[in-house]
Formats: sequence, C-alpha cells, structure tokens
Amino acid sequence: AQKVTQAQTEISVVEKEDVTLDCVYETRDTTYYLFWYKQPPSGELVFLIRRNSFDEQNEISGRYSWNFQKSTSSFNFTITASQVVDSAVYFCALSEAWGTGNQFYFGTGTSLTVIP
Amino acid sequence: DTGVSQDPRHKITKRGQNVTFRCDPISEHNRLYWYRQTLGQGPEFLTYFQNEAQLEKSRLLSDRFSAERPKGSFSTLEIQRTEQGDSAMYLCASSRLRDPESSGANVLTFGAGSRLTVL
Repeated sequence: AQKVTQAQTEISVVEKEDVTLDCVYETRDTTYYLFWYKQPPSGELVFLIRRNSFDEQNEISGRYSWNFQKSTSSFNFTITASQVVDSAVYFCALSEAWGTGNQFYFGTGTSLTVIP
Repeated sequence: DTGVSQDPRHKITKRGQNVTFRCDPISEHNRLYWYRQTLGQGPEFLTYFQNEAQLEKSRLLSDRFSAERPKGSFSTLEIQRTEQGDSAMYLCASSRLRDPESSGANVLTFGAGSRLTVL
C-alpha cells in the first residue's frame, strides 16, 4: 500500500535560515511519482515539483532544492535562506504511474513558520 | 483561464441539511478530482471524473455523497443529511488527460477549496 510520512508536524525558523522538510514514502510500485505542494493560508494547494521514480537527480529551483533517494525512500525538500513568504503547510505526495493516475497519497503536511 | 474555481468558499449548515459545492476546472482539463481535507491532515481522495464519466470513488464517499459532472465541464458535490463529521475542506482539482511533459502522473491544479462547517 502507498503511504507518505511527514514526521515533522511544525517547524519554525528565523528568516534567512535554511530548513529541510522530510518526506518518506512507501510503495510496492516500481514506477511512481513524487510531488511537493505548498498550501499557504489562503488554502489553495500550489504545485512545486514532480519527480518520477527513475530520475534520482537532485533538483534546484531558486531557493528550493529537492533530494530524492530511492535507497531510503525519501524525497526531502530544502528551502535556502528562508523568507516570511515561505510560511505555509507543505505536503509531500505519491502517485501511481500512468494508467491510474487518479490517486494521490498525501502526507499529513509540515507547517513551516518563518519568523522575521 | 483563471484556474480552478470553487463555490462557495465557506458554508455553515445545520446537521441534517443538504449542501452542494460547485467546481469549475481549467477549461482544457479532462480530469476532475474531489478531495477532502480535515484539520491537520493531508487531502484524501474522494472521486474523479474523466470528462463526464465518474471513473473511481473512494470508500470514503458514503451513500450520502454524490458527485456529478454532467457535461464534462463543471462538477458538483452534494452531501445529503450532513453530519458533524462531514466538516472539512472540500478540494477540487483538475488535470490534463495526458501531460505533454510526462507519460506519467499528471500534475493536479487545485482550487482554493470549499470549507464546510456542520453545526
């Protein structure tokens, strides 16, 4: 069965600090997709990144970076030089490969507060 | 296109009443999804449509819940005889049938949600 665990419920950092949000997943599928979404106080989930199970390259996008390690079933998200606007709930999600593509399994989220 | 729209944003109702939520997806998206999110939890899948066909329903979707997408465009989610346990944020999302950038799982674009409070 698919499962996503985000062990960090809440994190607080001071502005400009780096912060890493952890995500551990479980699946029996060999082909799967991992996502990170951001949910600001307004409530709308905003897509950040998608990664397929065959691509273990780390990715950097501005202040955001993602570290995907199949060996530990982890897909961690790092924000460098955090800003107040980064305050939100961040969700990691796992999806089955194409053919179904309908089920996203979300973790319980990590609430990040960046203190000015 | 302004994204996925949901209406109403907030609904307060008394236990036993019926409520209906509407979702307008991104126009070129064939797939439409409903998720439910309770406080401190991630979104949970309820159901999804491909065009007007409802292809899958979660066991979370009890008989009191019904979703429709009659013309393959907007969708409605109705909850009959609401219970306090139905209080949650109901999220709608849409996606393309096939993502041109990937042969795999599509990116879901979410609306801002409809928050239901059952008194």
